[in-house]
Amino acid sequence: NAGVMQNPRHLVRRRGQEARLRCSPMKGHSHVYWYRQLPEEGLKFMVYLQKENIIDESGMPKERFSAEFPKEGPSILRIQQVVRGDSAAYFCASSSQGEQYFGPGTRLTVT
Amino acid sequence: SQQGEEDPQALSIQEGENATMNCSYKTSINNLQWYRQNSGRGLVHLILIRSNEREKHSGRLRVTLDTSKKSSSLLITASRAADTASYFCATDEGAQKLVFGQGTRLTINP
Repeated sequence: NAGVMQNPRHLVRRRGQEARLRCSPMKGHSHVYWYRQLPEEGLKFMVYLQKENIIDESGMPKERFSAEFPKEGPSILRIQQVVRGDSAAYFCASSSQGEQYFGPGTRLTVT
Repeated sequence: SQQGEEDPQALSIQEGENATMNCSYKTSINNLQWYRQNSGRGLVHLILIRSNEREKHSGRLRVTLDTSKKSSSLLITASRAADTASYFCATDEGAQKLVFGQGTRLTINP
């Protein structure tokens, strides 16, 4: 039973480019969460999705960030026009109804 | 929003000693979880304790929860070099989202 998969593991983007981060939840899980971790800090909640629905996006910046979890395929976190401050580790977690299982993360570096 | 706060921020002990980390939070919770993160890696779930539980054990881990003081502790007994990592507590804040503390960086010296 594969765990939560994230790709890419490392992503380098120049300022102004777009970043797309993918997350495949564990088999049977229909809840996906995205968190961001800045260096030397804890994880900060960004968004909670179920299939085709955004349930809670209270942690998402109002501009440039969007997330989706389509009926088929992985969840996507999209960051448009990246800036240096977007450099961080982005973690995805999935659950069925309780405990959240985390993926290995995508480390985004904006140059 | 509430946020767990771990104490101490950093802890360095000798192999074989016990390590205790504390976490405080601000509002009512349904459960509290502890995670481990090795440098540059993802999070590993260690243990979940529900609000109606006071203590829970898992191998060398012991977690306590005091809802009256809004605090929890994680005890790692007989520490090993492989326990070197950052440890985070996380509380639920409705709608299943987790709120993490800043973490305790634990170093086990051989």
